[in-house]
Amino acid sequence: GNSVTQMEGPVTLSEEAFLTINCTYTATGYPSLFWYVQYPGEGLQLLLKATKADDKGSNKGFEATYRKETTSFHLEKGSVQVSDSAVYFCALGLNAGGTSYGKLTFGQGTILTVHP
Amino acid sequence: DGGITQSPKYLFRKEGQNVTLSCEQNLNHDAMYWYRQDPGQGLRLIYYSQIVNDFQKGDIAEGYSVSREKKESFPLTVTSAQKNPTAFYLCASSMGRDTGELFFGEGSRLTVL
Repeated sequence: GNSVTQMEGPVTLSEEAFLTINCTYTATGYPSLFWYVQYPGEGLQLLLKATKADDKGSNKGFEATYRKETTSFHLEKGSVQVSDSAVYFCALGLNAGGTSYGKLTFGQGTILTVHP
Repeated sequence: DGGITQSPKYLFRKEGQNVTLSCEQNLNHDAMYWYRQDPGQGLRLIYYSQIVNDFQKGDIAEGYSVSREKKESFPLTVTSAQKNPTAFYLCASSMGRDTGELFFGEGSRLTVL
């Protein structure tokens, strides 16, 4: 079956530190990969995505590259801010018959706390 | 503003009672979903609906029921058959043909006393 594994949290960093949150996946076929972010008290929102191997998704200073050879989609940011404190979810979705729906498989989430 | 509205935000129920969580969207999206979020387990899919009057079971549908009588609405009923209903429930929608960009509501936290 399909699965997503994220690095264990919580992750605590000082402002301006470099962030990496590891994500690896197992899937049949050719998935699209996503990072979602959940700020305190809110629902999830899409942070970035990549739909094929070697694609790089980026948004708000965050980046992740779809690595088929290592089945990974690690999230990185060069300099985190206090406002980046949130829960980050890696997810995969599979196309079916040329169309796809939001039947995503999520990782367990990684809590990030950034201190001033 | 377009978006997804879930209600209530917090709900308490006694064991043996059914409870219905509301989810309404004004994004004109075809597909809607219910996910359950538990600490350390990520999100798990309960039910999803691709069009009106049609819905499919997700990975953990037992003890839950849904309906999709209108495009805008996708209520979830947590029945007394659900053995561990205390959780955070998230409703989402998508265009249907999109490759996975879900729009989420703010969630409903259900606590069984």
